[in-house]
Amino acid sequence: GAVVSQHPSRVICKSGTSVKIECRSLDFQATTMFWYRQFPKQSLMLMATSNEGSKATYEQGVEKDKFLINHASLTLSTLTVTSAHPEDSSFYICSAKRGGTDTQYFGPGTRLTVL
Amino acid sequence: LAKTTQPISMDSYEGQEVNITCSHNNIATNDYITWYQQFPSQGPRFIIQGYKTKVTNEVASLFIPADRKSSTLSLPRVSLSDTAVYYCLVGDGVTGGSYIPTFGRGTSLIVHP
Repeated sequence: GAVVSQHPSRVICKSGTSVKIECRSLDFQATTMFWYRQFPKQSLMLMATSNEGSKATYEQGVEKDKFLINHASLTLSTLTVTSAHPEDSSFYICSAKRGGTDTQYFGPGTRLTVL
Repeated sequence: LAKTTQPISMDSYEGQEVNITCSHNNIATNDYITWYQQFPSQGPRFIIQGYKTKVTNEVASLFIPADRKSSTLSLPRVSLSDTAVYYCLVGDGVTGGSYIPTFGRGTSLIVHP
């Protein structure tokens, strides 16, 4: 099966610092990766779509200068939360989409807590 | 964007069959229907995907009527471990298309002993 990993699984940081989250497709090449944010008892909200080798496409209301996305290879995308604040505390989930199919495979998520 | 509507919650008992229906009236010709399961503090897990009629795998069945405006996820003989949130998602099956996955609120299934 298709496996997607995220690192770290949990991170606690101080307000004002930056945090990088990695998303890797372990056994397939992902031309497209998605980044979601999920608040407690809410659904997943798409933040951005990341295509390998090109700039990410951000959803309305998501600050591209605050949530930096880099998709440098077919197996790795990173999300950097810059100058994090307590309201950025959330569960961040990535997914990867294999070329030729519509199925997304999700990572296990990263719990970010900003103090 | 194809919007989806599901019941917010459902209750069932161990051993019963559970059917969760999703409405997607604006589904496009190229859209596939995919169902995911999510446990608390975990990423969604792929359950099943289909385009029309019926699809079955080792964990579930997916029924899609001819007009494709709805779909029903069928979980046979649920157990306590099936307690989770279930999401249906419709999306552009065309490779390279402008696919923007949009999750609805999902259905919170609680399985009782």
